[in-house]
Amino acid sequence: DTAVSQTPKYLVTQMGNDKSIKCEQNLGHDTMYWYKQDSKKFLKIMFSYNNKELIINETVPNRFSPKSPDKAHLNLHINSLELGDSAVYFCASSQDVGASQPQHFGDGTRLSIL
Amino acid sequence: GENVEQHPSTLSVQEGDSAVIKCTYSDSASNYFPWYKQELGKRPQLIIDIRSNVGEKKDQRIAVTLNKTAKHFSLHITETQPEDSAVYFCAARYSGAGSYQLTFGKGTKLSVIP
Repeated sequence: DTAVSQTPKYLVTQMGNDKSIKCEQNLGHDTMYWYKQDSKKFLKIMFSYNNKELIINETVPNRFSPKSPDKAHLNLHINSLELGDSAVYFCASSQDVGASQPQHFGDGTRLSIL
Repeated sequence: GENVEQHPSTLSVQEGDSAVIKCTYSDSASNYFPWYKQELGKRPQLIIDIRSNVGEKKDQRIAVTLNKTAKHFSLHITETQPEDSAVYFCAARYSGAGSYQLTFGKGTKLSVIP
């Protein structure tokens, strides 16, 4: 059983399109995250939700909009895709926002913009 | 905010030798320091973590040390094996009010030569 699952695994699309990535966790965790990993492998937090409420919103273009319908799901919608959005996007979750709670990552979604 | 520096960026060792990866952090309020291993095309996976009230933690061939005064922590892998080859990330998280995020280092690509 996959603890944190993302779909799709690969996403290839044209510049200017709108796309969504879905994430679900079955760990019963309260907190979920989206990270972007660029071509140099740098992992950068984008958003975090705790119990469906946004708690972290890093400097991310408005074209990125997270949505959390319930605490087990955190989806990422991206409008007007640009070449620079090509990256691997990882969803993660942790028990809660406690400082020493380990984060568990999904398998990632590789987004390629043509 | 927190800033985490990680060195070296690449590391090659002979099988059976030890590997050491070092990280420094900027915010003295940080109190949780996990290490993640990411194999090619896979998700980051937590391999060990340490909290600021502990100076050292060991798990079989892996150990982490923390020097709070100097604000640095290190990952030690002994008796390296080819399957240890991966990118390793350190991270730090501080418990300041309203802070809920991990800040990652830029990663160390470890190659274990058989």
